[in-house]
Amino acid sequence: GESVGLHLPTLSVQEGDNSIINCAYSNSASDYFIWYKQESGKGPQFIIDIRSNMDKRQGQRVTVLLNKTVKHLSLQIAATQPGDSAVYFCAEKGSGGSYIPTFGRGTSLIVHP
Amino acid sequence: KAGVTQTPRYLIKTRGQQVTLSCSPISGHRSVSWYQQTPGQGLQFLFEYFSETQRNKGNFPGRFSGRQFSNSRSEMNVSTLELGDSALYLCASSSLSGVDEQFFGPGTRLTVL
Repeated sequence: GESVGLHLPTLSVQEGDNSIINCAYSNSASDYFIWYKQESGKGPQFIIDIRSNMDKRQGQRVTVLLNKTVKHLSLQIAATQPGDSAVYFCAEKGSGGSYIPTFGRGTSLIVHP
Repeated sequence: KAGVTQTPRYLIKTRGQQVTLSCSPISGHRSVSWYQQTPGQGLQFLFEYFSETQRNKGNFPGRFSGRQFSNSRSEMNVSTLELGDSALYLCASSSLSGVDEQFFGPGTRLTVL
């Protein structure tokens, strides 16, 4: 099947900086995208989602941007904190009416105090 | 409200054996999905059960099977284990089938020797 991938495997930032994690997707029919955070020893945790009829959505300290023209998704974390250190990955869902989600490989975010 | 629970958390088996993993969804959730997570392939969808019926299935061999009980608890079974089956197996629940937000359990770490 078509894949969802990430540009950067590891991102190191200083506490207080803004972080941007990127994701490329290849299925132009995808209509729903999700960002997950996975801490060591835990299952993935839902962060924020966005539908294909939107290009931006904001949550608490997080913003997801969707560029359908270039099939690119990004997660912005404002004022990054040490507790944000985790693996982040994107997922696409709903392509062609299928519920089966496809996940990206993940980016490890390291926040230095 | 208690989260998704998975048992056992860790498991060691040898090639050729079979294994059964258990997942208890969040109370009231009727959909349970299973995923396999490996460093090489990332997070991959195995199958989804809703009201004791398999709704969707990923691209895995028939050695991987599952079922759901009337109380929404789910089990997945892997027969004739192979070394490549070593992975973190995650279960996620949602209130309805196809609902976007899923809640993941901590996973079962399976090691096949």
